[in-house]
Amino acid sequence: DAKTTQPPSMDCAEGRAANLPCNHSTISGNEYVYWYRQIHSQGPQYIIHGLKNNETNEMASLIITEDRKSSTLILPHATLRDTAVYYCIVRVLNNAGNMLTFGGGTRLMVKP
Amino acid sequence: ETGVTQTPRHLVMGMTNKKSLKCEQHLGHNAMYWYKQSAKKPLELMFVYSLEERVENNSVPSRFSPECPNSSHLFLHLHTLQPEDSALYLCASSQDRQGFGYEQYFGPGTRLTVT
Repeated sequence: DAKTTQPPSMDCAEGRAANLPCNHSTISGNEYVYWYRQIHSQGPQYIIHGLKNNETNEMASLIITEDRKSSTLILPHATLRDTAVYYCIVRVLNNAGNMLTFGGGTRLMVKP
Repeated sequence: ETGVTQTPRHLVMGMTNKKSLKCEQHLGHNAMYWYKQSAKKPLELMFVYSLEERVENNSVPSRFSPECPNSSHLFLHLHTLQPEDSALYLCASSQDRQGFGYEQYFGPGTRLTVT
């Protein structure tokens, strides 16, 4: 799996958009970008994934640059419950074994 | 019960004890995983089972022994553990299918303390 780089921590005001960057400059053409988050003392939670097109679901939007070397997870209206560690992972979709390699992630603190 | 459940949620054991962690998924998935999360370290994948066959053993010491009797249940048998094995042990499941996203669903974890 390609290595990812994320800032260790970020702050966001409640109600504002939270934009979490991820650098994956060595990503291969068949590797997807996945985002998970882990709220304190809970298991990680899947958020979204994409290959090259921007994606949106009920939780977030994923913006992938045209060269695919970086992406941004957007939480449009952050709430206090969005305080968590956010992990960006890139992997091959059809890779047997389905192994996720978690890095250090970004600790997002949403403040009132 | 829905999702992925894990029991017990907390476990304290001595180094000479033998205990087992249990995971059950109610999602109809065909793959299950064990992860370890130590303090201030990223999640580490330990074992992967796909269609009840172990497909990955990530250089885990033999004092950890997984068992997957069917696609809904996964166990982690523990014996002769060390204090550094104290961690949050997380179970996850996914539906493996070629060509589709296979997001993993995690349980709440078992907080293990080895004394």
